[in-house]
Amino acid sequence: ETGVTQTPRHLVMGMTNKKSLKCEQHLGHNAMYWYKQSAKKPLELMFVYNFKEQTENNSVPSRFSPECPNSSHLFLHLHTLQPEDSALYLCASSQGGTDTQYFGPGTRLTVL
Amino acid sequence: AQSVTQPDIHITVSEGASLELRCNYSYGATPYLFWYVQSPGQGLQLLLKYFSGDTLVQGIKGFEAEFKRSQSSFNLRKPSVHWSDAAEYFCAVGARGAQKLVFGQGTRLTINP
Repeated sequence: ETGVTQTPRHLVMGMTNKKSLKCEQHLGHNAMYWYKQSAKKPLELMFVYNFKEQTENNSVPSRFSPECPNSSHLFLHLHTLQPEDSALYLCASSQGGTDTQYFGPGTRLTVL
Repeated sequence: AQSVTQPDIHITVSEGASLELRCNYSYGATPYLFWYVQSPGQGLQLLLKYFSGDTLVQGIKGFEAEFKRSQSSFNLRKPSVHWSDAAEYFCAVGARGAQKLVFGQGTRLTINP
């Protein structure tokens, strides 16, 4: 595998479910990101991790819980989501600073 | 704080025609600027970036962009589009040393045969 991978690619969940999104980067980068892409809205940065430490939380509701066990893996744990949380969730990685961010294919999440 | 405006939500061009997608940014210092492309159901792929130096930047797939500080613009161009260029295009701006990128709303490009 090369680049940034995300699983699952599609996820449908009820509002009471708990699920997790996974991201893995094979680029040797130090920083990882979660973005939310909703229809007709710009990409919204959710979280940033540098060397496994969270360095940015963009006022994301607590029903989204990120986890970064190492520089190559990033998770987004989901619980009691709302229908308005339905979106494409994109993971990215970079070497840090304002270096180029490389994106995964995304997970299309639908909350019923 | 940075901001990005892509004035055109949707553009349609004929195959073989030239293309220019507009991007205007707001940032007090010299920005880092990016253009990404997103095909349906896919993530974002970097087309090109400007950090410093030559203001005309060449990217992949025959795209180029020009940084114009006086106009706060970073427009994307291609001399002759192909049907495979149909996608959504995003301009983004970042501050030097910061990791936060601010994206525009995107321009959806449709190619007529």
